[in-house]
Amino acid sequence: GEDVEQSLFLSVREGDSSVINCTYTDSSSTYLYWYKQEPGAGLQLLTYIFSNMDMKQDQRLTVLLNKKDKHLSLRIADTQTGDSAIYFCAEGASSSGGYNKLIFGAGTRLAVHP
Amino acid sequence: DTEVTQTPKHLVMGMTNKKSLKCEQHMGHRAMYWYKQKAKKPPELMFVYSYEKLSINESVPSRFSPECPNSSLLNLHLHALQPEDSALYLCASSQEFQVIIDSTGELFFGEGSRLTVL
Repeated sequence: GEDVEQSLFLSVREGDSSVINCTYTDSSSTYLYWYKQEPGAGLQLLTYIFSNMDMKQDQRLTVLLNKKDKHLSLRIADTQTGDSAIYFCAEGASSSGGYNKLIFGAGTRLAVHP
Repeated sequence: DTEVTQTPKHLVMGMTNKKSLKCEQHMGHRAMYWYKQKAKKPPELMFVYSYEKLSINESVPSRFSPECPNSSLLNLHLHALQPEDSALYLCASSQEFQVIIDSTGELFFGEGSRLTVL
């Protein structure tokens, strides 16, 4: 079945880079996503990567995809206190007949300290 | 307008009450979703509507009753809930439910309705 795993907590110093890792199981997923959730709020799409790409860069965000190992990572450069939030990795479970049925990981809580 | 609007933001209800959560989007999206999120957990899919028809019900108890009056609106009717149903209920929409070429399949989420059942 489909499953997405993430480490639960990451603490970094302001200005350092953060790397959040995720593993997934559905090799037929078309897209993989990173969502951010601030306390008491909904989910905001940060970035996504198409399954035939290895890397995608978007300003301070870099997504790396290793399809062989089914490993996805999100790197945030120059992490700021405003980046403190929960980050969810999600795979588009296209094995479910080509539908947008997102499967979320448990979420990684990023804490940024001075 | 890239917003999904949910009301109310907070709802407290007793186990015998009947209430509704509402969701609205004006992006022309044809798929709308209800997710349930418990504290410190990821969102879990409850229902999906595609072109105003129920496409997925993830074995949700009948005390939750979804309704899609038109392509812009999605309701979740609540009746005889239990305290363990207390959670953040998130509405989302996407261009289509079926993955299509040149579509990222991105889900746009609302801010959620925080429900407390006493």
